[in-house]
Amino acid sequence: GAGVSQSPSNKVTEKGKDVELRCDPISGHTALYWYRQSLGQGLEFLIYFQGNSAPDKSGLPSDRFSAERTGGSVSTLTIQRTQQEDSAVYLCASARGLSTYEQYFGPGTRLTVT
Amino acid sequence: GENVEQHPSTLSVQEGDSAVIKCTYSDSASNYFPWYKQELGKRPQLIIDIRSNVGEKKDQRIAVTLNKTAKHFSLHITETQPEDSAVYFCAARGYSGAGSYQLTFGKGTKLSVIP
Repeated sequence: GAGVSQSPSNKVTEKGKDVELRCDPISGHTALYWYRQSLGQGLEFLIYFQGNSAPDKSGLPSDRFSAERTGGSVSTLTIQRTQQEDSAVYLCASARGLSTYEQYFGPGTRLTVT
Repeated sequence: GENVEQHPSTLSVQEGDSAVIKCTYSDSASNYFPWYKQELGKRPQLIIDIRSNVGEKKDQRIAVTLNKTAKHFSLHITETQPEDSAVYFCAARGYSGAGSYQLTFGKGTKLSVIP
């Protein structure tokens, strides 16, 4: 079946502009995660959604970052007033549910802030 | 929160030799340890995982071992092939401190298999 998809694949923006990144999880997966991967680094957890529960936002690096998940499916990560240090690959992952730990990743969005 | 250390950061092996990557974690309550393979420009792919109630798991040429007492786990790849060349990430599932359990990733190991 279809895997996790993300759009756009690449985004170049000017410093100070807002950006929105989209994630479509695997159909039926109730858990959705956002990660940030900076060049040559591991994956840094940003935010987690599980069903209709309040999201775990403990990984968001600043209040410029926010995310929504509408209807328990598609999620949007928004970065306001982008800074050069926000340049990274933003990865989304989904998992089947609470007791299923395996996460499946999307292809990522490469964000470049100039 | 959880802290995961991964070594080495780079590893070169001759084709056919074995490769071992090691990770340590800090949270003794962590209960799930996946390994991901990421080829250049591609998404991370889950290649093997282990839960804390198991000491070893094997899948063809890949195996993972877990030592809960020492809080470390390792990835073993036997009979390496050029297509094994990639960056490998370990992770540990621990409490985020905000009501849920999350994966904390190591910084990755770049494996190069020399034909």
